[in-house]
Amino acid sequence: QAVLTQPASLSASPGVSASLTCTLRSGISVGMYRIYWYQQKPGSPPRYLLKYNSDSDKQQGSGVPSRFSGSKDASANAGILLISGLQSEDEADYYCVIWHSSAWVFGGGTKLTVL
Amino acid sequence: QVQLVESGGGLVKPGGSLRLSCAASGDTFSDYHMSWIRQAPGKGLEWISYISGSGSAMYYADSVKGRFTISRDNAKSSIYLQMNSLRVDDTAIYYCASLKGGNWGQGTLVTVSS
Repeated sequence: QAVLTQPASLSASPGVSASLTCTLRSGISVGMYRIYWYQQKPGSPPRYLLKYNSDSDKQQGSGVPSRFSGSKDASANAGILLISGLQSEDEADYYCVIWHSSAWVFGGGTKLTVL
Repeated sequence: QVQLVESGGGLVKPGGSLRLSCAASGDTFSDYHMSWIRQAPGKGLEWISYISGSGSAMYYADSVKGRFTISRDNAKSSIYLQMNSLRVDDTAIYYCASLKGGNWGQGTLVTVSS
């Protein structure tokens, strides 16, 4: 079982909110990790969006709109990237990352389509 | 913040070697823990190696352990990735990055093919 699991794809309409999940493997508690989120568009390197550990320990990337926010769902053992007021320019691949057992671990990525 | 520029990619035959470089500018480089991450064509991101700011700690993904070596020269604000025994499945864009700080280079393409 992968350390981090992300849905392969997600579709949503402009203007609505999209919730992208990053589920940690059973036995690894989301409460113990700071989760980093990256956005990648075709032909470009990943862009840092934010990191989230708790409401008192979070950081927005430079120039990243406040429409992007992070949270955790302890009951689902998952990190969440919430994108509010979806725009066409938000169409991209999104990756979550954690530092686990002396390694950076990436989720498989979610391809977000804005219809 | 640091700005990062990778170099050294290219076409190499299976079993061959290549050395990637990543030059940084901006902030005090030794403050930054650095990683190499790669992305095979059409695939997701794969972390492959980490080096601490002082260079005292290095870690590798199982996929490259024993074949790749990370190093850094803080006087030159650079990190390196020595890649030996290259395989076809090492073909990817290789990025250097400070994952905690969110700084990435533009990447350099490594193609392993006969």
